[in-house]
Amino acid sequence: ETGVTQTPRHLVMGMTNKKSLKCEQHLGHNAMYWYKQSAKKPLELMFVYNFKEQTENNSVPSRFSPECPNSSHLFLHLHTLQPEDSALYLCASSLGSGLYNEQFFGPGTRLTVL
Amino acid sequence: QKEVEQDPGPLSVPEGAIVSLNCTYSNSAFQYFMWYRQYSRKGPELLMYTYSSGNKEDGRFTAQVDKSSKYISLFIRDSQPSDSATYLCAMKYNEKLTFGTGTRLTIIP
Repeated sequence: ETGVTQTPRHLVMGMTNKKSLKCEQHLGHNAMYWYKQSAKKPLELMFVYNFKEQTENNSVPSRFSPECPNSSHLFLHLHTLQPEDSALYLCASSLGSGLYNEQFFGPGTRLTVL
Repeated sequence: QKEVEQDPGPLSVPEGAIVSLNCTYSNSAFQYFMWYRQYSRKGPELLMYTYSSGNKEDGRFTAQVDKSSKYISLFIRDSQPSDSATYLCAMKYNEKLTFGTGTRLTIIP
């Protein structure tokens, strides 16, 4: 595997379910990110991790719970979601989080909440 | 007012045409300007970046930044069907990266 991988690619869940999204980066990066992409809206940054430590939580509801066990893996745990949470969830990584660090994105998980 | 404004399109042009994609922004603190390309069912990939006013060329692509007008553009020459994608402008100051909504572009053979 190369780059940034995400599983599953598609997920349908009910509002009472609990599920997790997984992201893995094979680039030796130290920063990882979760974004939400909805139709006709800009990418919304959700969480940032640097060297496994959460450095940003962009006022995300508690029904989204991130976990970063090491610099290569990032999870997003989901519970009691709402239909408006349906979106493409993108993971990204970068060498660092500074101005000139390019973010590399995974293909995303298409989430549908029924 | 949104920090970054981008016309979502969709935009359809015939093959071989010159394409112009644009974004405006309101925050003069932005220092670093990027264009990402996102194919269907894929994540965004960095296409071009620049951090100064003026033009930067890479093959058929030219990125233009006008800091005085707070306006950035991406030009695609000799457009190809393989250029069909969503193009997102993005801007950064310090560690904060802000995206436009993306413009969906279709090149018609």
